[in-house]
Amino acid sequence: EAGVAQSPRYKIIEKRQSVAFWCNPISGHATLYWYQQILGQGPKLLIQFQNNGVVDDSQLPKDRFSAERLKGVDSTLKIQPAKLEDSAVYLCASSLRGGPAGEQYFGPGTRLTVT
Amino acid sequence: AQSVTQLDSHVSVSEGTPVLLRCNYSSSYSPSLFWYVQHPNKGLQLLLKYTSAATLVKGINGFEAEFKKSETSFHLTKPSAHMSDAAEYFCVVSDTGNQFYFGTGTSLTVIP
Repeated sequence: EAGVAQSPRYKIIEKRQSVAFWCNPISGHATLYWYQQILGQGPKLLIQFQNNGVVDDSQLPKDRFSAERLKGVDSTLKIQPAKLEDSAVYLCASSLRGGPAGEQYFGPGTRLTVT
Repeated sequence: AQSVTQLDSHVSVSEGTPVLLRCNYSSSYSPSLFWYVQHPNKGLQLLLKYTSAATLVKGINGFEAEFKKSETSFHLTKPSAHMSDAAEYFCVVSDTGNQFYFGTGTSLTVIP
């Protein structure tokens, strides 16, 4: 089966610009996650979707970050405007049923550099 | 509040010797615990998970971990290291399933 797809793989922007990342989860997976992984740290969960609804976005900086999963399949994560501290790898993951026992399958990530 | 502490940022072992990667957690509830592995330029992959069943959990590639509630630990072990085990390993805790907390990672080097 095809894995989690993400694009672009790399992105370089200047601060105050906007950027968007795209994720296509494994077919049939209801739960989708976006993580931010800063160099030298573990991934931090930004937002979790169940189908097209938000389950948890408590760690999403809502003044500049937004995410949507309109049709319950693919998802976009946007940053506007970007700051230097947003430089990180943005990981998308999906899970068949979510919850604490659900196995998450991760995409390759998008490496963002903000200059 | 939940948190995860990976006690070693780097571990080096010789090929064929045992591996021990240490993880301690804090959680207000009965947690679910995971170990993920990240090879260079590859996505994170689940090694094993504990979800309140058997306390000794077996995973892929010969890895296993033991949940010890009294010590709030979930250490990852493997009897004999292989060169292909060199990677970054993350311990993860979740209780409600709405939030997953990753440790800062342990980089495993395997010396031939």
